[in-house]
Amino acid sequence: EVQVVESGGGLIQPGGSLRLSCAASDFTVSTNNMNWVRQAPGEGLEWVSLIESGGNSYYADSVKGRFTISRDNSKNTLYLQMNSLRAEDTAVYYCARGGFPSYYFYMDVWGKGTTVTVSS
Amino acid sequence: QTVVTQESSFSVSPGGTVTLTCGLSSGSVSTSYYPSWYQQTPGQAPRTLISSTNTRSYGVPHRFSGSILGNKAALTITGAQADDESLYYCALYMGSGIYVFGTGTKVTVL
Repeated sequence: EVQVVESGGGLIQPGGSLRLSCAASDFTVSTNNMNWVRQAPGEGLEWVSLIESGGNSYYADSVKGRFTISRDNSKNTLYLQMNSLRAEDTAVYYCARGGFPSYYFYMDVWGKGTTVTVSS
Repeated sequence: QTVVTQESSFSVSPGGTVTLTCGLSSGSVSTSYYPSWYQQTPGQAPRTLISSTNTRSYGVPHRFSGSILGNKAALTITGAQADDESLYYCALYMGSGIYVFGTGTKVTVL
């Protein structure tokens, strides 16, 4: 079954760092566009970052310079390294595969999310 | 900063039709933004309904359809059912790898 499973969330103090993981099953991370999308408590969805199959990466202005998206092809896993965390980064973080064909520019497979809480 | 606007809420009767829209704070939405639509029930992950304006995802019922209406993207539910009661989000591709989600519309079926 095609699926993604996120992990790595938790409680972290402001200014701290955390790395989220997204393990993929039945498809190859490196040949697909992959996204991170977050949802703050009681709020809507916010796109965070994209890594294209070709390796180019993009970020929302709210996280640019603090977050880094990457992948490990040998582990078929997507990552989100989050540094200089702020209270406003508190959210459920979803991993989402870019849909096919890629030029339709959408997300088609979503994980259940992992919760990040930034608080002292 | 780009804001993608959606109605905050809609109410529809069972069997009725409702059209949700997705607009831009400045400018018009066209197919060039590749609008997509997602359904989310509380505590659950989003589910993809529509991509590239009007392409239904696999398994999505035909009562869901996407279009461009005037200067906005639209999602129409024709023959609403009780389990359509959810939050609905649109997303627009802004180019250069950037996506923006809309503010979300809560649909109540009663």
